Formats: sequence, C-alpha cells, structure tokens
Amino acid sequence: QKEVEQDPGPLSVPEGAIVSLNCTYSNSAFQYFMWYRQYSRKGPELLMYTYSSGNKEDGRFTAQVDKSSKYISLFIRDSQPSDSATYLCAMSNTGKLIFGQGTTLQVKP
Amino acid sequence: DSGVTQTPKHLITATGQRVTLRCSPRSGDLSVYWYQQSLDQGLQFLIQYYNGEERAKGNILERFSAQQFPDLHSELNLSSLELGDSALYFCASSVSAGASTDTQYFGPGTRLTVL
Repeated sequence: QKEVEQDPGPLSVPEGAIVSLNCTYSNSAFQYFMWYRQYSRKGPELLMYTYSSGNKEDGRFTAQVDKSSKYISLFIRDSQPSDSATYLCAMSNTGKLIFGQGTTLQVKP
Repeated sequence: DSGVTQTPKHLITATGQRVTLRCSPRSGDLSVYWYQQSLDQGLQFLIQYYNGEERAKGNILERFSAQQFPDLHSELNLSSLELGDSALYFCASSVSAGASTDTQYFGPGTRLTVL
C-alpha cells in the first residue's frame, strides 16, 4: 500500500464548476501538506501549503486537512480552462516530500 | 519560471549506456533534490544534497549516483541504463537543509528515453 493515495482521474468538469481533489495517507507523522500543479511537460509548481489540520484559502483555491481521518482536499471554485493540469498532493514530516499519483483535471469551456 | 534550470531537456540513449543530468538551483538555495516521475510510479524522491553533502536518500538505485559541486550545481549520473529508467527526472531546490517548512521549487525536468 502506498503512503499517499490519490485518484488519477481523469476528472472533466465544465467551466465555472467547483472541483474537489482528494488524497488519503497512512503515515500519521505527516504534518505538512502541499498541493502542486503540473502542466503538461512542465515541472510541478507549489499551489498551497498547510500545516496540521484546518483550512487555508488563497483566491479560488481552498486546501483542507483532516488529520483525524488522514484526508486532505483541494477545492477550486469557479474553475477555468487554464486550471486544466495535473494536481499532485504532497506531504512531509522531515522535508522529504511524498507525492500522490496526481489527478488530471480538464476544465471544458 | 522557478529559477531552477536543468539540462538537457531531452535525452535519448540505448540500454547499457551512462548519462549525466545537470541541475542549477535557484540563486541562494543550498539544497538540491532529485525526483523521478514515471507513469506507473508517479513522482518519487531519489536523493537530496545540502551544501555539497548528501542529506537524504530515497528510492535511488545503486546504478544511480549524484553529487553537488562547490558552486551548488548538481549532477545525477545514471549508468547501465535499462528500458525502465525511461522517465522524467526533476530537480528541485530549497533554501535550507530540508525543513518541512521549506518550499521546494522544481525545474522543467529532463525527459530520458532509453531504447
């Protein structure tokens, strides 16, 4: 069993929809949780970063961490075609990042 | 643009060969991380160097090695290449030794194809 599980999708939604992306994990020592966005043939770029449980909002993006359930989510409001990319969750307790498989999102105009 | 540079962008080689991938971190960053991304395994941590010294090791094969030079650029050496080594190889850099609060900035990657 992988330490971090993420549904690879693909996920296809119409423009303007609310998107929910999720990851589960097994290592209760993880304290830092990140979401990276990766466009095709590019390197991952950091979108959101949260520490421990709770919510964090940045514009149209909200990251949520539930440590009791070992579950993290990324919500995208008013999704745009430019949001079409692969979204990778990542987590850490030592600096070494453990990534999920990535979910491919397509937002259709 | 993250400020991390990687060369070459693409590399095509044959089984059994050896290649070297190069990474220059962002200005001021002392840590360099190497990752391998393949379709079946996803993005996997290989190794980290901090200010010239190996700091952490992940799922790195014995056929692979890395080093970080005094000017802080890093090289990943892959030898006795196999078909399964075909993947995207990313370098990332961060300011410190790997505190969990450090942001890792990724380069554009090197696409390796082993024929």
